[in-house]
Amino acid sequence: GQNIDQPTEMTATEGAIVQINCTYQTSGFNGLFWYQQHAGEAPTFLSYNVLDGLEEKGRFSSFLSRSKGYSYLLLKELQMKDSASYLCAVKDSNYQLIWGAGTKLIIKP
Amino acid sequence: DAMVIQNPRYQVTQFGKPVTLSCSQTLNHNVMYWYQQKSSQAPKLLFHYYDKDFNNEADTPDNFQSRRPNTSFCFLDIRSPGLGDAAMYLCATSSRKLAGEFEQYFGPGTRLTVT
Repeated sequence: GQNIDQPTEMTATEGAIVQINCTYQTSGFNGLFWYQQHAGEAPTFLSYNVLDGLEEKGRFSSFLSRSKGYSYLLLKELQMKDSASYLCAVKDSNYQLIWGAGTKLIIKP
Repeated sequence: DAMVIQNPRYQVTQFGKPVTLSCSQTLNHNVMYWYQQKSSQAPKLLFHYYDKDFNNEADTPDNFQSRRPNTSFCFLDIRSPGLGDAAMYLCATSSRKLAGEFEQYFGPGTRLTVT
């Protein structure tokens, strides 16, 4: 079966750095997405990786290793507004998105 | 601004009473999706349309139907809502090109309550 694993919840301190990991087992791979979802709101797109390596976008970076079936989202200089769920999603061989359940990130002052 | 719009944002219906949720988009994307998301769970894909080509997920209950009368609009019909259908319903769009789909853009969602 297809599976996306990410931690259920993480806690970090304002101003610090946090890394949210995602491992996947899917039938084929056509890219990995990270989305941010605030409570009660829709997911918003953060990043896309299809080749191995690090993609940097301001305070957010996303890393992919296809051979390991592994990605992480790195958030730097954490702000209180970064408190949200972070969802990892993989496009399989049929270009369908397989979603993880999300990691709830709690930022403490 | 180009966007995905969902109406209503909050919908209350009675057990067994049909309900329709609507979605419209100004992005001119050819793919539209309906997801169901329950608290602390991953979004669950119910249907998607590639242009007018309808794709039903294998485990989507028969109670759920969808219509896409044109590129801009898509509807989700729940024929006989049960208590287990209470959830956030998310509409999303994407532009599918030869190289595969791009990222999905989500509407704000409709939170459905079944009483």
